[in-house]
Amino acid sequence: AQTVTQSQPEMSVQEAETVTLSCTYDTSESDYYLFWYKQPPSRQMILVIRQEAYKQQNATENRFSVNFQKAAKSFSLKISDSQLGDAAMYFCAYYSGGSNYKLTFGKGTLLTVNP
Amino acid sequence: DADVTQTPRNRITKTGKRIMLECSQTKGHDRMYWYRQDPGLGLRLIYYSFDVKDINKGEISDGYSVSRQAQAKFSLSLESAIPNQTALYFCATSDFGTDGYTFGSGTRLTVV
Repeated sequence: AQTVTQSQPEMSVQEAETVTLSCTYDTSESDYYLFWYKQPPSRQMILVIRQEAYKQQNATENRFSVNFQKAAKSFSLKISDSQLGDAAMYFCAYYSGGSNYKLTFGKGTLLTVNP
Repeated sequence: DADVTQTPRNRITKTGKRIMLECSQTKGHDRMYWYRQDPGLGLRLIYYSFDVKDINKGEISDGYSVSRQAQAKFSLSLESAIPNQTALYFCATSDFGTDGYTFGSGTRLTVV
């Protein structure tokens, strides 16, 4: 079964600085999708960014970007110019046919943004 | 209106009671899911349904049951609630899933 590991239970960053959240995954598939979700205190799950494994180019959404290393099975999220509103729990998730077409989540990283 | 609506938003119930959590979606998707979130454990899949006639157990289905009443509706039941079912429950829906899921706002359930 596919597993997703987020090795940092908590991270903190100063406002306007850059922070990187780590995610690794275990799979024997070659075609899959990776996601980062944000869960603010409102508890809503918000899709931040998506990466297709067959695409070499790293996905970017405004201040959010990923470093996708397929061979290393690594998918880190970089948040640039951190804002107070970025404070949230962040979940990495994996999807493929090998996971029976279901999202598998990591345990999450709680990000604190200090003013 | 929200794409995925969960009711109730919060619920406190007693041990041994039967409780139903409801979910409806307006995305027109066939696939629906129930996840449970516990601190430090992330989200774990309870049940999923790829269409009205297809229901499958997830990794933690014991103590739960589901009903897919229509394409848009997917309810989760706890037949006899126990305290370790205290958690945040999410319903989600997807097309094929390659674009990710759309989640409801969650139901916080407390079993006392």
